[in-house]
Amino acid sequence: NAGVTQTPKFRILKIGQSMTLQCTQDMNHNYMYWYRQDPGMGLKLIYYSVGAGITDKGEVPNGYNVSRSTTEDFPLRLELAAPSQTSVYFCASSIGTGAYEQYFGPGTRLTVT
Amino acid sequence: GESVGLHLPTLSVQEGDNSIINCAYSNSASDYFIWYKQESGKGPQFIIDIRSNMDKRQGQRVTVLLNKTVKHLSLQIAATQPGDSAVYFCAESGSGNTPLVFGKGTRLSVIA
Repeated sequence: NAGVTQTPKFRILKIGQSMTLQCTQDMNHNYMYWYRQDPGMGLKLIYYSVGAGITDKGEVPNGYNVSRSTTEDFPLRLELAAPSQTSVYFCASSIGTGAYEQYFGPGTRLTVT
Repeated sequence: GESVGLHLPTLSVQEGDNSIINCAYSNSASDYFIWYKQESGKGPQFIIDIRSNMDKRQGQRVTVLLNKTVKHLSLQIAATQPGDSAVYFCAESGSGNTPLVFGKGTRLSVIA
């Protein structure tokens, strides 16, 4: 099992550009999550999904979009990148939500200049 | 504001000593709590969890204590080692399908 994988590891974007952060899990988990982590801060939930075709907003969804066409994949789309989106992005998955351990990917470090 | 917080943002501990990392929560309906360890440049990793029907749970060198009366959670690490240096996050979940809510984290530095 590879667990949760994320690509790319690093990316630099210019203001106004767009990109997709990829996330894949091979544990057959129904639940998947996207978080952002600013320097010296905790994790903030952007979006999550309870299964293929179902997504819901987290605490900080503005400026992002997600889709979930398969159980394995949960890409995060940034449209019109802004400096405020400079952060480290983590994808996670779990068997259930709430009282279940989440498994995290290694993260994508994004800089918007 | 955040419903989960930490008392100390940084903690320095001598190698071999015990470490105690604290966490306060505000949602009395939370029924599940979890501690994660995040090493530099990596994603968070599960350490230990506890449900609200327990007040103590032990793992290998780690113990989590839950005090529901004062809504306080702590992580105790016995015989702290250099490899324990990391940021530690607590997280809570309410009942049902509420996703985990993470605190800001405490950076643990182990002095050799």
